[in-house]
Amino acid sequence: AQKVTQAQTEISVVEKEDVTLDCVYETRDTTYYLFWYKQPPSGELVFLIRRNSFDEQNEISGRYSWNFQKSTSSFNFTITASQVVDSAVYFCALRFKAAGNKLTFGGGTRVLVKP
Amino acid sequence: GAVVSQHPSWVICKSGTSVKIECRSLDFQATTMFWYRQFPKQSLMLMATSNEGSKATYEQGVEKDKFLINHASLTLSTLTVTSAHPEDSSFYICSGRTGVRYEQYFGPGTRLTVT
Repeated sequence: AQKVTQAQTEISVVEKEDVTLDCVYETRDTTYYLFWYKQPPSGELVFLIRRNSFDEQNEISGRYSWNFQKSTSSFNFTITASQVVDSAVYFCALRFKAAGNKLTFGGGTRVLVKP
Repeated sequence: GAVVSQHPSWVICKSGTSVKIECRSLDFQATTMFWYRQFPKQSLMLMATSNEGSKATYEQGVEKDKFLINHASLTLSTLTVTSAHPEDSSFYICSGRTGVRYEQYFGPGTRLTVT
């Protein structure tokens, strides 16, 4: 069965600290996609990144970076030098063909960045 | 990214009445649309998937007669909550996708409160 686990329900940091969000997934498919979304207090989901299962290269986008480790089925997300505007709920999600290409979301991690 | 709008952004209705939520893809053709509900401090739960011109496919446990979904065109899908009850109060989010190989774009959500 497919499953996405975000073990951290809430993380609180002080501005400028780094914060890493964990995401562990389960799937039997060899071809799948992993995503991260940000949901600020306004509620609208903001797409951050998509990674397919054949691309294990880590990625950096500004203060955001992602570490995909297929061997441990993890797709972790790091915010470097956090800012108050990073306060939001972050969701990791998985999509693969056997599940009808529907997104399966993790439980989300609430990040609170204090000034 | 592509834009999805939802209307209304929030609605309050009385118990027993029906309410319709519209979801529009503004700059792309959404062959597939998804409807999610999200309770406070919880993750997104997929309610149903609809392909343009076809009947929606509902997830297990979602009452199809209560949550009517219509996907009449490539840019419009509607969710009607019939005979609403207080337990239907939630945040409803729609999402559209052009094709399996493409991203899924989310609307800003509709907050429904049933009194």
